[in-house]
Amino acid sequence: ETGVTQTPRHLVMGMTNKKSLKCEQHLGHNAMYWYKQSAKKPLELMFVYNFKEQTENNSVPSRFSPECPNSSHLFLHLHTLQPEDSALYLCASSQELAGGSHVETQYFGPGTRLLVL
Amino acid sequence: AQKITQTQPGMFVQEKEAVTLDCTYDTSDPSYGLFWYKQPSSGEMIFLIYQGSYDQQNATEGRYSLNFQKARKSANLVISASQLGDSAMYFCAMRESTTGNQFYFGTGTSLTVIP
Repeated sequence: ETGVTQTPRHLVMGMTNKKSLKCEQHLGHNAMYWYKQSAKKPLELMFVYNFKEQTENNSVPSRFSPECPNSSHLFLHLHTLQPEDSALYLCASSQELAGGSHVETQYFGPGTRLLVL
Repeated sequence: AQKITQTQPGMFVQEKEAVTLDCTYDTSDPSYGLFWYKQPSSGEMIFLIYQGSYDQQNATEGRYSLNFQKARKSANLVISASQLGDSAMYFCAMRESTTGNQFYFGTGTSLTVIP
């Protein structure tokens, strides 16, 4: 039990559907992340929220839309996805100290396996 | 250039033996942290061990130890007394103090423990 939960665990959607992935962390952390993991590729950081403010957006297509209503919840809204978006989507959280200490690790959720048909 | 390089796509080890998973990194930042994660087939990434760039001693956590060679920019993970439950993907990651929240991950090594 890592303290980070994700729902749903599996999702199959058509290219015209709209769906949302949910992440919740129970660790009291102040930063949350979305990653995409495709086969044979390193994890790709998609979005970072620090203190509910988006601080990173690594050139992610607009068909992915993040939302962070509070420091415990993070959503990834999906619309008009492409088959190449099929992947494991991982959420993570960490506790960021003032001054940007590099020692804090991230704790991951179990991921959502997404298949786009 | 790749920030993290893991050159072993797959490794096999006999149960109860030790195994070393390789990781090299590239950074010009004097302050950074190195992490290893385990990812079983269930998908979640489990944090294993951390090494700071200024740490004088190699990190250890139970059966996991990190062979940190700063001059060579390598941070190999050593798993002692392998168990069947160690079969998983293993990822090396780095975080630099100058790039804030950015974690850089390698492509991973698939470890199979043979009974």
